[in-house]
Amino acid sequence: AQSVAQPEDQVNVAEGNPLTVKCTYSVSGNPYLFWYVQYPNRGLQFLLKYITGDNLVKGSYGFEAEFNKSQTSFHLKKPSALVSDSALYFCAVSSTGGFKTIFGAGTRLFVKA
Amino acid sequence: DAGVIQSPRHEVTEMGQEVTLRCKPISGHDYLFWYRQTMMRGLELLIYFNNNVPIDDSGMPEDRFSAKMPNASFSTLKIQPSEPRDSAVYFCASSFGSDPSKNIQYFGAGTRLSVL
Repeated sequence: AQSVAQPEDQVNVAEGNPLTVKCTYSVSGNPYLFWYVQYPNRGLQFLLKYITGDNLVKGSYGFEAEFNKSQTSFHLKKPSALVSDSALYFCAVSSTGGFKTIFGAGTRLFVKA
Repeated sequence: DAGVIQSPRHEVTEMGQEVTLRCKPISGHDYLFWYRQTMMRGLELLIYFNNNVPIDDSGMPEDRFSAKMPNASFSTLKIQPSEPRDSAVYFCASSFGSDPSKNIQYFGAGTRLSVL
């Protein structure tokens, strides 16, 4: 069975500092990994995905994520946080051959000015 | 394209009433997903369709919930009878393609349901 864990309910970071939002996964076969962001009263928006290839994936708004197969992790990162990055972030996984996507519980990011 | 359109945005109803949530996916998308989001349970996949056919409804909580997709541009999620524990935000999402690696889902703004 597929599963996703986001161990932190909330991450606090000062503007200009680097940020990391953690995600680990469990899936049979090769994973397809995604990050989505949700702003208040809005639906989720796609940020980036890992399918295969380079372990460092770059996405929208300066975000990137690093795939680590041995640690089954897919942490979201940004070198310099902005106040406008404050939102709810979801990690998601699906497996080869399937469209069923499992979402993590979400991590709320607060960026303080 | 206007994106995925959900209606209504907010619904307040009384316990026992029938509730119908509506979704218009992005034109040309062949997958449609219904999710439920609550503080306690997070984002749960209820059901998804491919080319208007239900593929996996294992997430539908009970028989009170039903979903249909009569054509490529319209889907409904119905709760009958509704209960207070059904209060949540319901999202519809759509995606395109036969390759799961390209399965980027586009979400609607959601319907916030309150059952009193």
